[in-house]
Amino acid sequence: TQTVSQSDAHVTVFEGDSVELRCNYSYGGSIYLSWYIQHHGRGLQFLLKYYSGNPVVQGVNGFEAEFSKSDSSFHLRKASVHWSDSAVYFCAASWGYQNFYFGKGTSLTVIP
Amino acid sequence: DAGVTQTPRHEVAEKGQTIILKCEPVSGHNDLFWYRQTKIQGLELLSYFRSKSLMEDGGAFKDRFKAEMLNSSFSTLKIQPTEPKDSAVYLCASSLEGSTEVFFGKGTRLTVV
Repeated sequence: TQTVSQSDAHVTVFEGDSVELRCNYSYGGSIYLSWYIQHHGRGLQFLLKYYSGNPVVQGVNGFEAEFSKSDSSFHLRKASVHWSDSAVYFCAASWGYQNFYFGKGTSLTVIP
Repeated sequence: DAGVTQTPRHEVAEKGQTIILKCEPVSGHNDLFWYRQTKIQGLELLSYFRSKSLMEDGGAFKDRFKAEMLNSSFSTLKIQPTEPKDSAVYLCASSLEGSTEVFFGKGTRLTVV
């Protein structure tokens, strides 16, 4: 069974703090992983992706994510968050160019 | 901007009505997805097309939900008959085959009363 789980439904940090949003997936094989951001009332927007190569991938606005095969994880990180980073973040996985499976999302609140 | 276009942005329907949601994917994209988004369930796949062929339909949604892709630049999602539990945001998304970057529309917020 292919699943994507995001263990934290809500994360609250202060502006300038670092943050890590967790994502774990089940099922092995060739996997494509990505993160999306959804601001309130808006559609999902692509942040970054991983398929192969360097396990640390850089995205827009200072976000990066690290793939770990041993942990079946693809956690999203940012060293210093801004209040505008407040949004819901979705992790997604795809196996073999097929459908994308999304986690339930992590709502990030950044307190100015 | 040539992103994914969904219409209408908001829809209010009475229980039992038939509603049709529309989606125009990004030009040239051959993968198209319909998702339902709720706070409790998150993103649930309703249908997935590749080059207009239905590749996957979310099993639990088969009976009242029907997505069609009549041509490569237009898709519809019909819900018949609607029920209050169908109240959600319906998202359409598209991508190039083999790409891991999916482009989402702004969604249609459906309220069934």
